[in-house]
Amino acid sequence: GAGVSQSPSNKVTEKGKDVELRCDPISGHTALYWYRQSLGQGLEFLIYFQGNSAPDKSGLPSDRFSAERTGGSVSTLTIQRTQQEDSAVYLCASSLDRVNTDTQYFGPGTRLTVL
Amino acid sequence: AQSVTQLGSHVSVSEGALVLLRCNYSSSVPPYLFWYVQYPNQGLQLLLKYTSAATLVKGINGFEAEFKKSETSFHLTKPSAHMSDAAEYFCAVSSPLGGYNKLIFGAGTRLAVHP
Repeated sequence: GAGVSQSPSNKVTEKGKDVELRCDPISGHTALYWYRQSLGQGLEFLIYFQGNSAPDKSGLPSDRFSAERTGGSVSTLTIQRTQQEDSAVYLCASSLDRVNTDTQYFGPGTRLTVL
Repeated sequence: AQSVTQLGSHVSVSEGALVLLRCNYSSSVPPYLFWYVQYPNQGLQLLLKYTSAATLVKGINGFEAEFKKSETSFHLTKPSAHMSDAAEYFCAVSSPLGGYNKLIFGAGTRLAVHP
């Protein structure tokens, strides 16, 4: 079946602009995660959704970052007033349930470049 | 707090040689442990996971890892390297507390396989 998909695959934006990154999880997966992969910081957790609610937002680096999930499916990560340090690959993952042994399946990522 | 240390950011082996990628963790409770592989321009793929069952875990593509509590280690091995194993490998930890697996990743080890 289809895996986790993310769009766009690449995004180039100018400093100060807002961007939206989209994640389509595997159908039926109730848990969804966002991570960021950057040269300086490695792979970092950003936010976790169970259904449409986000019980853990502890990894969001600033209030310029927000995310939502609708219909227990698609999620959007929004970065407002982008800065150059936001340049990274943003990875989305989903798992079947909140059980912490469930495998997380990762999408291919969105590469964000802020000029 | 949990953390993961991967010794060696780059490892190079000959085709057919043993692969050993090192991972040590720090956790206040026995954690769940994972190895993921990332091929260029792709997302992360789970190789194997330890969730408090057997300490020797077998994964895909001939990889295995052994959980050693006394050494706080979860090293990844493969008896004979193949050219297709060249990729970046990430060790990750999650806590069995809290009910969901927010993954904390190591910095990654890039494996090169030469003829």
